[in-house]
Amino acid sequence: EVQLVESGGGLVQPGGSLRLSCVASGFTFSSYWMTWVRQGPGKGLEWVANINLDGSEKNYVDSVKGRFTISRDNAKNSLFLQVNSLRDEDTAIYYCTRDVGYTTLDIWGQGTMVTVSS
Amino acid sequence: QSALTQPRSVSGSPGQSVAISCIGTSSDVGGYDYVSWYQQHPGKAPKLIIYEVNKRPSGVPDRFSGSKSGNTASLTISGLRADDEADYYCGSYAGKFGSGTKVTVL
Repeated sequence: EVQLVESGGGLVQPGGSLRLSCVASGFTFSSYWMTWVRQGPGKGLEWVANINLDGSEKNYVDSVKGRFTISRDNAKNSLFLQVNSLRDEDTAIYYCTRDVGYTTLDIWGQGTMVTVSS
Repeated sequence: QSALTQPRSVSGSPGQSVAISCIGTSSDVGGYDYVSWYQQHPGKAPKLIIYEVNKRPSGVPDRFSGSKSGNTASLTISGLRADDEADYYCGSYAGKFGSGTKVTVL
């Protein structure tokens, strides 16, 4: 079964950090771009960052540039998102997704919740 | 990045058809045939139901169809069913999503 499973979310104070993880199974992870998407409470979807097959190309939405870092470990079928200098507006469910091209996201994980609050 | 514009809500009775619009610009929706649609039930992750404007992934019923004209894409749900009640988001090239539309089955 093709599956993505996220972990690493939690409650963190403003200015804090977390490392989100996503483990892929059921497909050849190293053959796909991967994308993180987030959804604030009661809000719509927001594209956050993506990474190419070998990790040499990374793209970010302007609001997280310099604070978030996307990475991957193909040997461990894993995708990561290091989130630093967290702000209230970063509170959201973070989804790991498989990108089959031009932001067509065909597989989604169940999401991991990040809550930024003092 | 500005979100693509969708109606906040649409509704219909079982068996009817509803259409959801997704308005962008020539830099996103209008410029590429890479429009996708996602269905999200409450408390669940989004699910891809349309890609490349009008293609359906395996397992998605043909009651769901997509189209595009100029800078506007559309999702049509025919033969509306109770379990179609959900939020629907469009997505375009370069990581833009629509604002989301709640579909209510009366």
